[in-house]
Amino acid sequence: GAVVSQHPSRVICKSGTSVKIECRSLDFQATTMFWYRQFPKQSLMLMATSNEGSKATYEQGVEKDKFLINHASLTLSTLTVTSAHPEDSSFYICSATSGVGGTDTQYFGPGTRLTVL
Amino acid sequence: AQKITQTQPGMFVQEKEAVTLDCTYDTSDQSYGLFWYKQPSSGEMIFLIYQGSYDEQNATEGRYSLNFQKARKSANLVISASQLGDSAMYFCAMTYTGFQKLVFGTGTRLLVSP
Repeated sequence: GAVVSQHPSRVICKSGTSVKIECRSLDFQATTMFWYRQFPKQSLMLMATSNEGSKATYEQGVEKDKFLINHASLTLSTLTVTSAHPEDSSFYICSATSGVGGTDTQYFGPGTRLTVL
Repeated sequence: AQKITQTQPGMFVQEKEAVTLDCTYDTSDQSYGLFWYKQPSSGEMIFLIYQGSYDEQNATEGRYSLNFQKARKSANLVISASQLGDSAMYFCAMTYTGFQKLVFGTGTRLLVSP
């Protein structure tokens, strides 16, 4: 149980285009989903917290208009990188939890490697 | 603010031996959760083990156990009988009641040799 999928696993795009990444909880309903960014050889950096049916909460320094997050259902959240530039190239990974308490386990998707040319 | 410290950037262990990965944390909260995740080269984050701050017994999951020393604020991961497939990055993380964000440490890269 507790499987989270992410699509696509890898994407290469031209500068200026927008890229959408999907995160799905396959066997549970995710009350909350999280989006992280990871640079090579570094730890995960939380970008935003997404609750179904409400606006995402972004971490300080993360541009809301750049990284659009939609959590339309209890099993799907999407991250859209708008007008992507080479500096947006990174590993993006989502997680999901079915709980509402702070100590509930987050289950992660396999990640999406974005390369912007 | 919560903080996780992993002081070992890299660890080496021979196959079938046990290894301990260190993790210390800093929080003023009484109720919190501690997690260990494994990240192989493929990038996915695999949940390994969880310890609640009020759990009196150390958590165990198969070959993984968490050596929880609350007074010292440490939550070390012990992997018994290491396997080649255990080679990966290991992240210690914490969260606390009412606050769902995971705070991660910088990670420890474990290399298991034959």
